[in-house]
Amino acid sequence: ETGVTQTPRHLVMGMTNKKSLKCEQHLGHNAMYWYKQSAKKPLELMFVYSLEERVENNSVPSRFSPECPNSSHLFLHLHTLQPEDSALYLCASSQELDYYGYTFGSGTRLTVV
Amino acid sequence: QQQVKQSPQSLIVQKGGISIINCAYENTAFDYFPWYQQFPGKGPALLIAIRPDVSEKKEGRFTISFNKSAKQFSLHIMDSQPGDSATYFCAARVLVRGSTLGRLYFGRGTQLTVWP
Repeated sequence: ETGVTQTPRHLVMGMTNKKSLKCEQHLGHNAMYWYKQSAKKPLELMFVYSLEERVENNSVPSRFSPECPNSSHLFLHLHTLQPEDSALYLCASSQELDYYGYTFGSGTRLTVV
Repeated sequence: QQQVKQSPQSLIVQKGGISIINCAYENTAFDYFPWYQQFPGKGPALLIAIRPDVSEKKEGRFTISFNKSAKQFSLHIMDSQPGDSATYFCAARVLVRGSTLGRLYFGRGTQLTVWP
């Protein structure tokens, strides 16, 4: 399998649930990202990991907790979310200083009820 | 404050026509300007990109025009086809301070519809 794979593709969760989003990249990249895509808003960068170390956290609420156990895997742990957190969550990977840009996964469509 | 401003928000073009999407930026530290194409149910995919030392880049029917002095760049889609109907995002990259890692700032996107 190649590229960036995200699971699950769709997730419906209640506000008191705990769930995790998974991202796996098979490109040999050394940086991974979580983005949030909401309707009529720009893509919002949430977290950046470089060589498994978090290098950026863009004021994301603590109910979102990232984890990067190795350079190929990235998780986003979710707990006590709000309905406004419903969005498409995109994972991306890149190679540092690589001018070929990011490779995105297909995303997880999250609905909080 | 939005780092990259994109217009129009939506665009309808007839098959065979030219689609033009414009973006503007302020940060002179941006060093790479990619365009992404996103189909429903998919993540954005890199379409074409340009560095600021080049004024134009063409790949097939897709051309980026870059005006460094005006801090503007645009995507032109020649001979637009119904299969080009998608959302297009411009972006600009800046290195994260103290690292060799680039960070992308995205425009809000343009929803292109090409009528047959």
